[in-house]
Amino acid sequence: DAGVIQSPRHEVTEMGQEVTLRCKPISGHNSLFWYRQTMMRGLELLIYFNNNVPIDDSGMPEDRFSAKMPNASFSTLKIQPSEPRDSAVYFCASSPGQASMTQYFGPGTRLLVL
Amino acid sequence: DQQVKQNSPSLSVQEGRISILNCDYTNSMFDYFLWYKKYPAEGPTFLISISSIKDKNEDGRFTVFLNKSAKHLSLHIVPSQPGDSAVYFCAAISNTGNQFYFGTGTSLTVIP
Repeated sequence: DAGVIQSPRHEVTEMGQEVTLRCKPISGHNSLFWYRQTMMRGLELLIYFNNNVPIDDSGMPEDRFSAKMPNASFSTLKIQPSEPRDSAVYFCASSPGQASMTQYFGPGTRLLVL
Repeated sequence: DQQVKQNSPSLSVQEGRISILNCDYTNSMFDYFLWYKKYPAEGPTFLISISSIKDKNEDGRFTVFLNKSAKHLSLHIVPSQPGDSAVYFCAAISNTGNQFYFGTGTSLTVIP
C-alpha cells in the first residue's frame, strides 16, 4: 500500500499568493484529517472529513483557509491569501473510521510563506 | 488552550535504560489515547494506544499507563534503543469520536 500521499512536499511562496495542498488517503479509509504542526502548538487538527463530508472544521484558523474532499480519494487544503504566519508543516491523515481510531499520516507538506 | 499537554519538550536517556514520556490532559470526556512517533521529514506513525477503561497496555518494549483520576498518561520504553530517538506525540480522542487533540511532542534522544 502506498500510504497517504501528499503533494507538494515543499512549497515556498510569497505572501498574498494562493497555496493548494493535496492529499490522497489510503484506499478504503473513510475518514480524512488535515493537521498543522508548529513548534508552539504541536499538531493542531484543522478539519476532519467522514465519508467526504466535513464533520468538524472548528480548527480552521480563519476564512483564508478552506478544504474540500470531492471524492473518497482526494482532498485539498487551500490558503488564500497566504501569510507568513501560515508557515508550518501540514499533514494529512486518514483512518478506517469507526472501526479504528488509528490515523495514518502522510509525509507532510512543508510550507514557507515569505 | 492546549487540552493535551506534554510539558517536557525533550528527554535524553542512556541506551538500555528506561525512557518515560509524560502527557497530561484536561478533559475527562476523552475516551481513547494514543502515542505517535515521528522521525524528521516523516509523518507521525502510530505506536500504541489505550482505552479509558484500561489503565495499562503493553506492546513489546512499549507500555502505556493511564491514570484517569490524575488525567495523566505515560509511555515507558524499556530498554531504550538509539532507534527510538524521535519526537513522541500523545493524542486524545473524545468519547463522541469527533474530537482529536495532540500534544506538542517530546523529543527523545537515546544515547548509545
